[in-house]
Amino acid sequence: GAVVSQHPSRVICKSGTSVKIECRSLDFQATTMFWYRQFPKKSLMLMATSNEGSKATYEQGVEKDKFLINHASLTLSTLTVTSAHPEDSSFYICSASPGTGGTGPAEWMYQETQYFGPGTRLLVL
Amino acid sequence: QKEVEQDPGPLSVPEGAIVSLNCTYSNSAFQYFMWYRQYSRKGPELLMYTYSSGNKEDGRFTAQVDKSSKYISLFIRDSQPSDSATYLCAMKDSGYSTLTFGKGTMLLVSP
Repeated sequence: GAVVSQHPSRVICKSGTSVKIECRSLDFQATTMFWYRQFPKKSLMLMATSNEGSKATYEQGVEKDKFLINHASLTLSTLTVTSAHPEDSSFYICSASPGTGGTGPAEWMYQETQYFGPGTRLLVL
Repeated sequence: QKEVEQDPGPLSVPEGAIVSLNCTYSNSAFQYFMWYRQYSRKGPELLMYTYSSGNKEDGRFTAQVDKSSKYISLFIRDSQPSDSATYLCAMKDSGYSTLTFGKGTMLLVSP
C-alpha cells in the first residue's frame, strides 16, 4: 500500500523549454503533497508543499514563477519547470501524505508519514 | 546547530553484521520519527516510523527513540549486501506537515 508514482522518470530537454512532472498517489488520497530536489550525494531539499485545491507554499529561495505546482485532485500534483536552464538539471522527487482516515494510533501515525515517488531525473541541455 | 545531525558515512560492514545508524536532534517538539532507505537514483522508501519514545521492531529492523536524549537509532540485524543504501532519518512535530531530514548515512555491506 501507499504507492506514489512519478512520470516521466527521466527527461532531457533543451534550454528554454518547459517540463511538466506528474506525481500520483495510486492507492490512497493525499491531501498534502511535497516536491523535493536532490543533488548528487546530497540530502533532500524541500521546494514546496501543496494542499489539494490551494496554492502551494514555497520554501525560501524557491522561485514560484519558475516552479509551478498544481494540486488539482487528491491523487495528482504536477510540477512544471518553466523556461528550464541547465542549472535546473536535478533529481526531482515528490511525496504524498495520506488524508484523514480511520481512528486509533496506527492510522494516526500513518497520516503523519510521507510516501515518496521514484523520482524524475531532469537534464537540461 | 543543525536541527538534525546524522553522520554521512560511508559505513562499511561485512555481511551478517549488526548495523547501528543514529541521528541526534535539537527540537524537543519532534514527536514522529521515521527512517527511510534510499537506493541510488531512486526515491526514499519508508522503513520505520515511530511515535514518541520507545522501540519498534519489524523483521531485521529495530527503531529506537530516546526523546530525553534527543537521539534515535536504527538497528539492522544480519545485514545483507542488498541493505547497501543511504539511510535517512526524518522527524516532525504534530503542528506542521513538513519533515526535517538528516543528511543521510551511506551504508555499504560487503559479501
